[in-house]
Amino acid sequence: KAGVTQTPRYLIKTRGQQVTLSCSPISGHRSVSWYQQTPGQGLQFLFEYFSETQRNKGNFPGRFSGRQFSNSRSEMNVSTLELGDSALYLCASSSETGISYEQYFGPGTRLTVT
Amino acid sequence: AQKITQTQPGMFVQEKEAVTLDCTYDTSDPSYGLFWYKQPSSGEMIFLIYQGSYDQQNATEGRYSLNFQKARKSANLVISASQLGDSAMYFCAMSPGGRTGGSYIPTFGRGTSLIVHP
Repeated sequence: KAGVTQTPRYLIKTRGQQVTLSCSPISGHRSVSWYQQTPGQGLQFLFEYFSETQRNKGNFPGRFSGRQFSNSRSEMNVSTLELGDSALYLCASSSETGISYEQYFGPGTRLTVT
Repeated sequence: AQKITQTQPGMFVQEKEAVTLDCTYDTSDPSYGLFWYKQPSSGEMIFLIYQGSYDQQNATEGRYSLNFQKARKSANLVISASQLGDSAMYFCAMSPGGRTGGSYIPTFGRGTSLIVHP
C-alpha cells in the first residue's frame, strides 16, 4: 500500500504570492491533517479534514486554508506569503473513522519564501 | 491551553542500553491523550506510542514504553535496547479528548535529539 505523498517536495515563492500544496493520503484513509514545522515555532497543527469537512483547526491566520476532495486528497493554500511562512509543511492521514493519533506522515513540502 | 515541555534538547546513549526521554505536560482538559513521534533526518514523522489519560496501565509498543505519571503530569518515553537506527528527533505531544473522535488539536513539545553511539 502506497504511503502518504506530498507534492511538490520543494518550493520557492516570493513574498506576497500564494501557494498550494497537495497531499494524497494512504488509500482508505479519510482523515488528513496538516502541520507546519519551523525551527522557531517547532511543530504546529494547522487543521484536520475528514470527509471533505474541516473538523479541527489550529491557531493560524485566515491566510492558511485547506480543502479535501471526495477521494480524500487534500490541498493546503497559503495566500499573501510572508517570510515567516518558510517551513516544512507536513501532511498526515489516519485510518479510523475518527481521528487517530496513529497518523502516517508524508515526507513534507519544504517551502521557502524570499 | 495545553503545554508540552521537553527539557532535554539532546541525549546520548550507548547502543543496546535503555534511555528515557522526558516529557511534562499541562492541561485543564479532564480527558486527553499523550503520544510520541520520531522524526529521523529524512523528515518523515513516525508514530510511536499513545497513552490515554484514563488508561490504567502504561502503554508499551515493542521496545517503546511510556512511563505515565498523571499526578506529576509526566509522560516519559523509555526506549529499551537502543539501536543505531533510533538516532532521531523525538517529539512528545498531547491532545484533548480520546483516541478517536473529532477533538484532535495536538500540541507538540520542542523535541529531543537522541544520538545512539555504537
